[in-house]
Amino acid sequence: DTGVSQDPRHKITKRGQNVTFRCDPISEHNRLYWYRQTLGQGPEFLTYFQNEAQLEKSRLLSDRFSAERPKGSFSTLEIQRTEQGDSAMYLCASSPTMTTPSSVEQYFGPGTRLTVT
Amino acid sequence: GQQVMQIPQYQHVQEGEDFTTYCNSSTTLSNIQWYKQRPGGHPVFLIQLVKSGEVKKQKRLTFQFGEAKKNSSLHITATQTTDVGTYFCAGPWGNKLVFGAGTILRVKS
Repeated sequence: DTGVSQDPRHKITKRGQNVTFRCDPISEHNRLYWYRQTLGQGPEFLTYFQNEAQLEKSRLLSDRFSAERPKGSFSTLEIQRTEQGDSAMYLCASSPTMTTPSSVEQYFGPGTRLTVT
Repeated sequence: GQQVMQIPQYQHVQEGEDFTTYCNSSTTLSNIQWYKQRPGGHPVFLIQLVKSGEVKKQKRLTFQFGEAKKNSSLHITATQTTDVGTYFCAGPWGNKLVFGAGTILRVKS
């Protein structure tokens, strides 16, 4: 399968614990995005990488959130000291290099559903 | 910041009926994209519109981009049960896409 993959698909954690999610983009795509989606809403942008450089972070991304893409391939999103409000679907997407990042289609992974109890 | 609004939030149609969802942006867009998310699935790209007044068709789906490039619509002719899902429009804002809240389509067979 050459699509975007995410791991784990589901995560249940207790409030206060740290969690880490992984995203493997389509291999030839150098742009990678993280989104958060809650019920009844569209995906909300969290952060964007071009290769290994994190070029943009949303104001939604509090200090408890950190994302990395160390070698410009896979990416991780870590949430420290989880809160119940962090419960959501975390989606990763990738896209190839085109003129501007937002002018090209994005390929989404299946997401990681986080439940904080 | 940019806002993208979609209406209706939800539509339940009889199989064979038509369906339309509308998307409005608070700012002029350089392009607009449409995605479909099946229940339990992830968003899948459908199409991108770039030109003012552009109309594109994909089988029973017709996409339009407004003359002012601030609104768009998706029309499905003769819906089928396979059309069930949430349809999102998304507009560019810097490096990112801003998604609308989506229109949920349910089809009664």
